[in-house]
Amino acid sequence: AAGVIQSPRHLIKEKRETATLKCYPIPRHDTVYWYQQGPGQDPQFLISFYEKMQSDKGSIPDRFSAQQFSDYHSELNMSSLELGDSALYFCASSERGGRQNIQYFGAGTRLSVL
Amino acid sequence: DAKTTQPNSMESNEEEPVHLPCNHSTISGTDYIHWYRQLPSQGPEYVIHGLTSNVNNRMASLAIAEDRKSSTLILHRATLRDAAVYYCILSFGGAGSYQLTFGKGTKLSVIP
Repeated sequence: AAGVIQSPRHLIKEKRETATLKCYPIPRHDTVYWYQQGPGQDPQFLISFYEKMQSDKGSIPDRFSAQQFSDYHSELNMSSLELGDSALYFCASSERGGRQNIQYFGAGTRLSVL
Repeated sequence: DAKTTQPNSMESNEEEPVHLPCNHSTISGTDYIHWYRQLPSQGPEYVIHGLTSNVNNRMASLAIAEDRKSSTLILHRATLRDAAVYYCILSFGGAGSYQLTFGKGTKLSVIP
């Protein structure tokens, strides 16, 4: 079965550079979530989109922005990268967003900021 | 936000049942109880969820207390592949999407 695809899997950037992470949800899933997991930390919700509109916002820095496109894939744009942005970034998708809906996670993008 | 409390860690012998507890005393009437797990170096993985009644699926069982203030995830026969951090999460969010608020979780170690 198709799963959530994230690219790239690994990314190395310098401080103050920009990065773009991509997420391709499971077909027919209309809701995308982004989570950040720092070293030794638990995943933290950043932002979500439902039917291409921003739905909820968590602890996402102002330097980060995201959007969901017409084909439902999503991109997380990160600017002015800081050392503290080094983390695993997970994307998850669900079908017809709702409290019962199960979220399926991608394998994540490991971002290292040097 | 309704919060959950789980033990930091638990150990189990391989092929024995494991009961992972979760307290959620401030749960609201419409909150679902979700369990996810995260294996090392992988994304979180859905395990099971429920509202009021006990639930079973191919991975696990979920036992929900009558007052819904606690629940227990039951792995019937632990295998080495079940070693992971298990998160008990209450659903939360607005219209259209429900983000997951991950707490500390329980790190399950399985002893061969």
